[in-house]
Amino acid sequence: GAGVSQTPSNKVTEKGKYVELRCDPISGHTALYWYRQSLGQGPEFLIYFQGTGAADDSGLPNDRFFAVRPEGSVSTLKIQRTERGDSAVYLCASSPRTGPYNEQFFGPGTRLTVL
Amino acid sequence: GQNIDQPTEMTATEGAIVQINCTYQTSGFNGLFWYQQHAGEAPTFLSYNVLDGLEEKGRFSSFLSRSKGYSYLLLKELQMKDSASYLCAVSDSNYQLIWGAGTKLIIKP
Repeated sequence: GAGVSQTPSNKVTEKGKYVELRCDPISGHTALYWYRQSLGQGPEFLIYFQGTGAADDSGLPNDRFFAVRPEGSVSTLKIQRTERGDSAVYLCASSPRTGPYNEQFFGPGTRLTVL
Repeated sequence: GQNIDQPTEMTATEGAIVQINCTYQTSGFNGLFWYQQHAGEAPTFLSYNVLDGLEEKGRFSSFLSRSKGYSYLLLKELQMKDSASYLCAVSDSNYQLIWGAGTKLIIKP
């Protein structure tokens, strides 16, 4: 079956520009997570959706970052006024459940480079 | 604070056994996950432990001691394709995953 997909796979933008990153979770998965990962580091939590609502957005670094999941499936991570420090791989994961044994299935990631 | 510690890098020989350790301090505990991540790829699930003891799955085994805040991943009969980063992650009191920085495993012929 289809796994988690993310588009684009690579995004190069200039400092100050706006970008949108898309995540298509596994069909039927209610939980969706956004992470970012820098080289040699583990995933850094950004935001978690349960259905359409953001259940936990405590990992968003500042108000330039925003994410939506309007129909409880596809999610978009939006970054305004990008900065060079935003360069990283942005990973999306989905899970069929929350609570114990909430194995997360990851997409291939979007590599964002801010020049 | 919350903290996951694992070695940055390890080297092992093809055909041998390697043990990757992980220690944790988190607000609550609802299980510990191990993920494998090849360079440039997404993490993939390897194992989950929530009770003390050893879970065996083919060439890979994972151990947990909740009282010591300690886990290890044991890889047997190492193959070149096992060269990857191995990430330890703890599910905290809110069922959010707290991730370690990963251990880069280098396999030599």
